[in-house]
Amino acid sequence: AQSVTQPDIHITVSEGASLELRCNYSYGATPYLFWYVQSPGQGLQLLLKYFSGDTLVQGIKGFEAEFKRSQSSFNLRKPSVHWSDAAEYFCAVTGGKSGAGSYQLTFGKGTKLSVIP
Amino acid sequence: DTGVSQDPRHKITKRGQNVTFRCDPISEHNRLYWYRQTLGQGPEFLTYFQNEAQLEKSRLLSDRFSAERPKGSFSTLEIQRTEQGDSAMYLCASSPETGGGTEAFFGQGTRLTVV
Repeated sequence: AQSVTQPDIHITVSEGASLELRCNYSYGATPYLFWYVQSPGQGLQLLLKYFSGDTLVQGIKGFEAEFKRSQSSFNLRKPSVHWSDAAEYFCAVTGGKSGAGSYQLTFGKGTKLSVIP
Repeated sequence: DTGVSQDPRHKITKRGQNVTFRCDPISEHNRLYWYRQTLGQGPEFLTYFQNEAQLEKSRLLSDRFSAERPKGSFSTLEIQRTEQGDSAMYLCASSPETGGGTEAFFGQGTRLTVV
């Protein structure tokens, strides 16, 4: 079964500082990986995705993530955090068309990001 | 296109009542998903439609839950005899039928509170 671990429940950074949110996944084959962001009381917005090819992927709002197969990781990074980045971030994995025939996403429990002005 | 739309945004109901939520996916997206998110957790998969066919249901979807997508467009999720444990955010997502992986677009969710 596929699973996602986000080891950090809550991270606080100062505005302008760099950010790295960790994500480790478990999946038997080549995974499709995603990072979503959720503001309080809102749905999820896709930041970026990895399907194949270049292991460093660029997303919206200045975010990037690097797929490392050897470490089963897909960490999210941003060089300079803005106050508006404060939100909850979710890493997710799917195997595409799994044996069940669906494309369901398996999410981590999320990392809440707080930004100090 | 305005994205995935869910209605209502908030619902408060008494225990034992039935509730129904609606999801309008992005037009031309033939895949539609329902997820449930409880406080402090990530979304958990409930069920999946490809067009009007419900192809997969999670074991989280008890007999009190039923989902439909009658014409392959909008979908409804009904919870019968609600319990306090049903209090959660119910998220709908849709994705196009492209090769390879899925890029799911989520709605704003319906927050259910059972009192």
